[in-house]
Amino acid sequence: DGGITQSPKYLFRKEGQNVTLSCEQNLNHDAMYWYRQDPGQGLRLIYYSQIVNDFQKGDIAEGYSVSREKKESFPLTVTSAQKNPTAFYLCASAEGATNEKLFFGSGTQLSVL
Amino acid sequence: GEDVEQSLFLSVREGDSSVINCTYTDSSSTYLYWYKQEPGAGLQLLTYIFSNMDMKQDQRLTVLLNKKDKHLSLRIADTQTGDSAIYFCAESIRDYGGSQGNLIFGKGTKLSVKP
Repeated sequence: DGGITQSPKYLFRKEGQNVTLSCEQNLNHDAMYWYRQDPGQGLRLIYYSQIVNDFQKGDIAEGYSVSREKKESFPLTVTSAQKNPTAFYLCASAEGATNEKLFFGSGTQLSVL
Repeated sequence: GEDVEQSLFLSVREGDSSVINCTYTDSSSTYLYWYKQEPGAGLQLLTYIFSNMDMKQDQRLTVLLNKKDKHLSLRIADTQTGDSAIYFCAESIRDYGGSQGNLIFGKGTKLSVKP
């Protein structure tokens, strides 16, 4: 089955800890994205990557880091510098010559202990 | 900056039509989208419309685009309880590299369907 897999489904972070959210896709998409969703809010872009070994900051990149060493994988690290990390995190990849269709994973709920 | 606005709640009876409205600000958007999110799940692309179209129909879904007023709507005919979800409107914007794919999302409209 082709798709985007996010893991884990639920993640808990202790104070001062870095945690990494996994995102893998087997759709052969070049572009991948990380969004943050807070209750009653729209999605906000954290980071995106148009191609392997390249990524760009989105609107709320502070306290987060990413890597794109492989086309299939785009992990997101929530660092201790992110003071309010509790949110639902969504990974997406894009299809189309101009990346016009986004496909989303099922999300990771991150909570602070 | 770019912004997408939509009402937060809509309640309809099963079998009625639902109309979810959205306004956007970026007149250069090439595509406009409707996504559906069920509780605890990711977003599912329902439909999208190219900016040079004014209507698109796909089974029970009808999308209307008024480019002059920057207004987008999604009509769901014969709404079912399984349609209960949050519906997000989104517009595409260009990133610094010139390619599209970054989307600006509205806050979502929660559709409740009563039996």
